[in-house]
Amino acid sequence: AQSVTQLDSHVSVSEGTPVLLRCNYSSSYSPSLFWYVQHPNKGLQLLLKYTSAATLVKGINGFEAEFKKSETSFHLTKPSAHMSDAAEYFCVVTKLSGNTPLVFGKGTRLSVIA
Amino acid sequence: GAVVSQHPSWVICKSGTSVKIECRSLDFQATTMFWYRQFPKQSLMLMATSNEGSKATYEQGVEKDKFLINHASLTLSTLTVTSAHPEDSSFYICSAPSGRQGNTEAFFGQGTRLTVV
Repeated sequence: AQSVTQLDSHVSVSEGTPVLLRCNYSSSYSPSLFWYVQHPNKGLQLLLKYTSAATLVKGINGFEAEFKKSETSFHLTKPSAHMSDAAEYFCVVTKLSGNTPLVFGKGTRLSVIA
Repeated sequence: GAVVSQHPSWVICKSGTSVKIECRSLDFQATTMFWYRQFPKQSLMLMATSNEGSKATYEQGVEKDKFLINHASLTLSTLTVTSAHPEDSSFYICSAPSGRQGNTEAFFGQGTRLTVV
């Protein structure tokens, strides 16, 4: 079985300050982990993914995440928030061997204050 | 990356009517597609797994007679919401795994916002 816990339902940061969105996972299998972003009334966009290669994963728009097996965590970070980063972020886990559905966290809404 | 096209992007229908949503993989073949539903301010929940040439597998609590899934080809899966009711109003998203060895990324359609009035 797999599950994802996003520890914060809402995070608010000032523009130009760092972003930290926390995610812990549970998986009976070797996991693949993803972060997706969803802007209001839009579909999902992949930010980055971990698939058993490098534990520090760099994604689009300056985001990165570090896979920490000992902590079962995959937190998303960005050094400096931009207004356009305001959106809903989903941490997702699936089985590494593929063709299995994605299990979504409940989401973290990121607000960026000018 | 691979492209999944979902149509329509939004639809408004009357109670009791049926609505069909299409999900196409444009540049790759998808033997499996997944259908998710997202209620306002909530996460995505898996509804069913669509398998090409065989019956779909539904998650617990999802009515298979209400949400008809057809996966007749390697590039097309359809979800038909039959006898729609206002409580079926939601955001529906399909996805297809890349299918490539060692690549577990799923590609998402743009989503369909269904409003039943």
